[in-house]
Amino acid sequence: GIQVEQSPPDLILQEGANSTLRCNFSDSVNNLQWFHQNPWGQLINLFYIPSGTKQNGRLSATTVATERYSLLYISSSQTTDSGVYFCAGGQGGNKLVFGAGTILRVKS
Amino acid sequence: NAGVTQTPKFQVLKTGQSMTLQCAQDMNHEYMSWYRQDPGMGLRLIHYSVGAGITDQGEVPNGYNVSRSTTEDFPLRLLSAAPSQTSVYFCASSYTGTGWNTQYFGPGTRLTVL
Repeated sequence: GIQVEQSPPDLILQEGANSTLRCNFSDSVNNLQWFHQNPWGQLINLFYIPSGTKQNGRLSATTVATERYSLLYISSSQTTDSGVYFCAGGQGGNKLVFGAGTILRVKS
Repeated sequence: NAGVTQTPKFQVLKTGQSMTLQCAQDMNHEYMSWYRQDPGMGLRLIHYSVGAGITDQGEVPNGYNVSRSTTEDFPLRLLSAAPSQTSVYFCASSYTGTGWNTQYFGPGTRLTVL
């Protein structure tokens, strides 16, 4: 099955800093999503992005499908951005394989 | 819309007991799934369903049963709980059309098996 590798595993930022999270896939995927898990455990979908670039406020994501990776950019980070960021991918249908996540802590 | 709801929020079981985790969605999504989340391991797919009456196994199905009698509900049954099933369980749902399968998650059920 697909393997999903996320980096870095941990990240500490000062409020206002920018960051880039990366997700590599062992095989091609046509369903790729990014999620944020807040400190209370709730999982929120950030992007559905099997290819191309999308932006939503201070967050943007780019997927280069031919090279099997995706990047999540967080600009001007805020303490509310803290939590765990997961990417997940799948090959056809809705089944997703998740990475182990990136733990982000934003300090004020 | 309530979105995806799960009950209970917390549960403690003794080894060998059985129980059902409830999941419901009001978005008319065809696809529903159950994941478990263990520390440092991300989420792993237990079972999934692409519509009423259709279920299939995911990555870690052993010890769990599911059924899908309606579009809205997708309960997960633990047949004989084991300490290895201590985890946080998430239910998710989505449409099935390509480009429309953004997944939405419930708040989770934290299960402890003693």
